[in-house]
Amino acid sequence: DTGVSQDPRHKITKRGQNVTFRCDPISEHNRLYWYRQTLGQGPEFLTYFQNEAQLEKSRLLSDRFSAERPKGSFSTLEIQRTEQGDSAMYLCASSPPVSQETQYFGPGTRLLVL
Amino acid sequence: AQSVTQPDIHITVSEGASLELRCNYSYGATPYLFWYVQSPGQGLQLLLKYLSGDTLVQGIKGFEAEFKRSQSSFNLRKPSVHWSDAAEYFCAVAPSGGYQKVTFGTGTKLQVIP
Repeated sequence: DTGVSQDPRHKITKRGQNVTFRCDPISEHNRLYWYRQTLGQGPEFLTYFQNEAQLEKSRLLSDRFSAERPKGSFSTLEIQRTEQGDSAMYLCASSPPVSQETQYFGPGTRLLVL
Repeated sequence: AQSVTQPDIHITVSEGASLELRCNYSYGATPYLFWYVQSPGQGLQLLLKYLSGDTLVQGIKGFEAEFKRSQSSFNLRKPSVHWSDAAEYFCAVAPSGGYQKVTFGTGTKLQVIP
């Protein structure tokens, strides 16, 4: 069990650029979640996958955001035309088929939009 | 909609002193309740969880929490704090059973002084 991994750990980009983050969940975890965390706040739910199906998206996830989990394993979160308000920590978590309520978090990707 | 309130943004305790972090939740039924800890640059680590049954739950690192339905509270306690406990602590709530959309509080930052 190597834990949830995220790549990159840090990303600095200019406003208007596109960015993509990757999350590798714990092996055999069928559920995968994306959260956004801004300074002084707790994580806010963005979206959730069960296997390859995206089952829920938060209203926080504007049209500029898209997430995929094509083979039910790793997931990507893309932000198009980044804005300064997108600066945040993006956290990924996964949970197993049994004990689905327990989410295991990755270290996060910190995004800074200049 | 479910919500979590952590009334204390920042708490300072002396090493060896006892600790209690407050958490109140709002949810129509009995939820699942969690406490997570986040150290700088780290992802969230689950300390403990309440799903059902005994209202006093034990977690890792010597932490415990008590679910009080009448007060809609799930306070985290530790009898003797160590310097390594300095971190940010998040209380979270999720609907019991089924899909686990977790809602986090805004966190309490714990400072430990020698």
